Amino acid sequence: DVKVTQSSRYLVKRTGEKVFLECVQDMDHENMFWYRQDPGLGLRLIYFSYDVKMKEKGDIPEGYSVSREKKERFSLILESASTNQTSMYLCASSLSLRWEQYFGPGTRLTVT
Amino acid sequence: QQPVQSPQAVILREGEDAVINCSSSKALYSVHWYRQKHGEAPVFLMILLKGGEQKGHEKISASFNEKKQQSSLYLTASQLSYSGTYFCGTAGGSGGGADGLTFGKGTHLIIQP
Repeated sequence: DVKVTQSSRYLVKRTGEKVFLECVQDMDHENMFWYRQDPGLGLRLIYFSYDVKMKEKGDIPEGYSVSREKKERFSLILESASTNQTSMYLCASSLSLRWEQYFGPGTRLTVT
Repeated sequence: QQPVQSPQAVILREGEDAVINCSSSKALYSVHWYRQKHGEAPVFLMILLKGGEQKGHEKISASFNEKKQQSSLYLTASQLSYSGTYFCGTAGGSGGGADGLTFGKGTHLIIQP
C-alpha cells in the first residue's frame, strides 16, 4: 500500500516562528502536493512539485514556501507563521493527473 | 477558481440513492472524486478523464460531461459507510504536464439507518 506520512499530527507554534511541515511518500511518485483544509472552504492547493527541486505555485501560495531535495520528501515552510495560517495541512502524492492522489493523515497547525 | 459542488449537504436513509454534482467554469482534463470521513484523510473514489477513460472502485459510478465541464457522482443503495464529505477535484490543460487539483468545497452526506 502507498504510504504518505507527515511529521506531526498536531503542532502549536507562536506568531512569527518559522515552521517546517514534513511529508514523506514511499511509492516513488513524481508529484507531491500541499493543501490546506479549512471548514467550508474545502481543500486548497498551496504548492506542488513534479520533480526533485521543481515546484509550482498553487492557488494560495502567499506566506508559504516549499522544498523538495529528495524525491520522497516534500517540505512546506511557513517563514513567519501568522494566526491566519492556523489550519489542517494535508500532503498528497501521485504518479500523474491520470492517477489518484494519496493523502497523508494531515497536520493540524495552531498558531497563537 | 473552485468548482461548484451541489448539494452542499444531503441526508439519506440507508438504501436510498444520491447524486452529487460538480461544475467547473473552465475546460477540464480530469475530474477526481474523494471521500473524507471525520478526522481522516481523503480517500480516492474515481477519476474521469477527457476522452472517456475512467478509473475507480467497482461500486462507484460517475459521469463526466466534457462540453459542460460537469461531473456527477452516483451513490446507489447507500450504506452507512458512505457517510462523509465528498470532494471533487478538477484539473485543466492537456494532462501532459504536472498540475495540482482544484477542489470544490465539499458535499456532506449523512446516511441514517
